[in-house]
Amino acid sequence: DTEVTQTPKHLVMGMTNKKSLKCEQHMGHRAMYWYKQKAKKPPELMFVYSYEKLSINESVPSRFSPECPNSSLLNLHLHALQPEDSALYLCASSPGGALQETQYFGPGTRLLVL
Amino acid sequence: AQTVTQSQPEMSVQEAETVTLSCTYDTSESDYYLFWYKQPPSRQMILVIRQEAYKQQNATENRFSVNFQKAAKSFSLKISDSQLGDAAMYFCAYREPGAGSYQLTFGKGTKLSVIP
Repeated sequence: DTEVTQTPKHLVMGMTNKKSLKCEQHMGHRAMYWYKQKAKKPPELMFVYSYEKLSINESVPSRFSPECPNSSLLNLHLHALQPEDSALYLCASSPGGALQETQYFGPGTRLLVL
Repeated sequence: AQTVTQSQPEMSVQEAETVTLSCTYDTSESDYYLFWYKQPPSRQMILVIRQEAYKQQNATENRFSVNFQKAAKSFSLKISDSQLGDAAMYFCAYREPGAGSYQLTFGKGTKLSVIP
């Protein structure tokens, strides 16, 4: 089973709202990722958690705040977003610590900021 | 820095025919991993196939196979007996080995259309 789930599927929010995206995997993977993908572009890495610790933050604005409560769950808290933050947000996971680090992606959350 | 180039922004193939998507990359590393991901309109990135650079044998997964030319830094994807469900954006990706190396470098993608 290589399933990564994400909720919600779609989200519309105003620039003053606070919302959260959720990602879950039950494959025992120890690395989890957030990507941002604009239309017709490849995904861009935002954050990486390895063994529940933030390993990589790719200079993402502070209005995006990741959280990894446990090894199966990854959240992305959103606050005071801008219209240019509208995109598809993808979560991924990988086994972690092994050489063959294949990343498995979730279905994404389509975010629209008004 | 590693770069991945997909020179074909769009391609089309007749149903049941064979199509090859090209990918080249630039790296100074001798050991690394290459991937092809498929992203249909449903949005989910699906792993199609993976190749380890130290393996000379080309990877194969059912109708999908790769032509890995390490010296030429080329990694093309061949889809045989194309089906309507193969229509998607295909991304080639590169990754260095080793714990702590998480960055996947993606190409810009090739949009594949399948004509019935």
